[in-house]
Amino acid sequence: DAGVIQSPRHEVTEMGQEVTLRCKPISGHDYLFWYRQTMMRGLELLIYFNNNVPIDDSGMPEDRFSAKMPNASFSTLKIQPSEPRDSAVYFCASSLAVGVRFPQHFGDGTRLSIL
Amino acid sequence: DAKTTQPTSMDCAEGRAANLPCNHSTISGNEYVYWYRQIHSQGPQYIIHGLKNNETNEMASLIITEDRKSSTLILPHATLRDTAVYYCIVRVADWSNFGNEKLTFGTGTRLTIIP
Repeated sequence: DAGVIQSPRHEVTEMGQEVTLRCKPISGHDYLFWYRQTMMRGLELLIYFNNNVPIDDSGMPEDRFSAKMPNASFSTLKIQPSEPRDSAVYFCASSLAVGVRFPQHFGDGTRLSIL
Repeated sequence: DAKTTQPTSMDCAEGRAANLPCNHSTISGNEYVYWYRQIHSQGPQYIIHGLKNNETNEMASLIITEDRKSSTLILPHATLRDTAVYYCIVRVADWSNFGNEKLTFGTGTRLTIIP
């Protein structure tokens, strides 16, 4: 079975540019999560969706960040304008349902570098 | 969620069983023990979880002490591909707290499999 698929795997861009990260969750999973990982702060939950609807976006750092899920098989995380402090590895994860009995399955991440 | 304590690093010989301990002395009755691992340049990978009974799947076994204050993840025949950082996480099964989906990763145990 295909896991969570993220693209691109690496992105290098200049400060001020728009960045779009993409995610395809596991088919049949109703929940999709966006995380950010840095050495300083570890893994942080940014936002998550249930059936394409954003449920909790309290982890989104600023208005420069936005996330959408237009259908059950695709989500984007956009940063506009990007800043050097946004450099991190961004992970997408999905789960079958909510709750402690349903593990989240992660993609391999997008390593973002803002120059 | 209860705090967990893990050794910073461990070595294990290839082909031997790797036993990774986790202390969660403040765990409460409705909290599950979860294990994830993160191989270099990959996303976190779900391994196993349990409440109070020992659990086994195709990847590992989870042994939880009777008082639930500690647990051990066992990789029965470690291979070089098991070299990773292993995270022990405690998650509350709080069905009323719909928004409590954040996975909080600590610093984990860096397991190195020695050829």
